[in-house]
Amino acid sequence: GAGVSQTPSNKVTEKGKYVELRCDPISGHTALYWYRQSLGQGPEFLIYFQGTGAADDSGLPNDRFFAVRPEGSVSTLKIQRTERGDSAVYLCASSFERGGGYTFGSGTRLTVV
Amino acid sequence: QQQVKQSPQSLIVQKGGISIINCAYENTAFDYFPWYQQFPGKGPALLIAIRPDVSEKKEGRFTISFNKSAKQFSLHIMDSQPGDSATYFCAASNAGNMLTFGGGTRLMVKP
Repeated sequence: GAGVSQTPSNKVTEKGKYVELRCDPISGHTALYWYRQSLGQGPEFLIYFQGTGAADDSGLPNDRFFAVRPEGSVSTLKIQRTERGDSAVYLCASSFERGGGYTFGSGTRLTVV
Repeated sequence: QQQVKQSPQSLIVQKGGISIINCAYENTAFDYFPWYQQFPGKGPALLIAIRPDVSEKKEGRFTISFNKSAKQFSLHIMDSQPGDSATYFCAASNAGNMLTFGGGTRLMVKP
C-alpha cells in the first residue's frame, strides 16, 4: 500500500478484556516497529521486527503485551487483561531497512474503560 | 530514564518568524538524529534528519544544527507559516536501533 495502515483507528474496551491491534506496513519494508504514545508525550518504543522475528522486544512493558509478524508483513499487537493504564495511541512504523527513515501509521487509539 | 530532553514544551511564533526547538541527549552512542512533525490524529512524519559527522543540514525552510561536544541539536523553521502549527519531536537512535523520542514541542504559528 501507499502508507502504513493501522486498524482499527479507535478501540474502546473494558478493563480485563483482550485486544488485537493490526498493522499493515508498506510493501517491501522488512523492518516494523510498534510504539506507544500517551497523551502529550513522545512515542515510546515497544518492539521491533526484522522480517518475521522480533529482533528487540525490550520495550514491552510486561507479559500482557505480545506481538507477532508471522509472514514478515502484517503484524498484530496483542494485549491481554487490559488495564486503564494501557490507554494510549499505539503507533506502527515500517522502514525499508534497519536504521532507515521510518514511516508511521496514524495509530490506533485504545481506550480502556 | 529520559535520554532525550526537548524544550520548550510549547511555542508561539508570528507568521514569518523563526521557530527554534532544542534537544539535548545523554547517550554518546547515538548516531542518527531525526525530527518528526505530528498533526492531531496522525502519526509522526519524518521532517529532516542529521548524522553527527556534519554540524548543519538544511532542507527548504527547515535546518538542523548539531553540536556534538555539547550533545545538543536544534530545529530552526524559517519564515514560519500557520500550516507549520503542529507538534514537533526530536529523536535519536544508535546503530539503527529503536528511536528514543523527546517529549515534544507544540508549535503555534499565529497569522
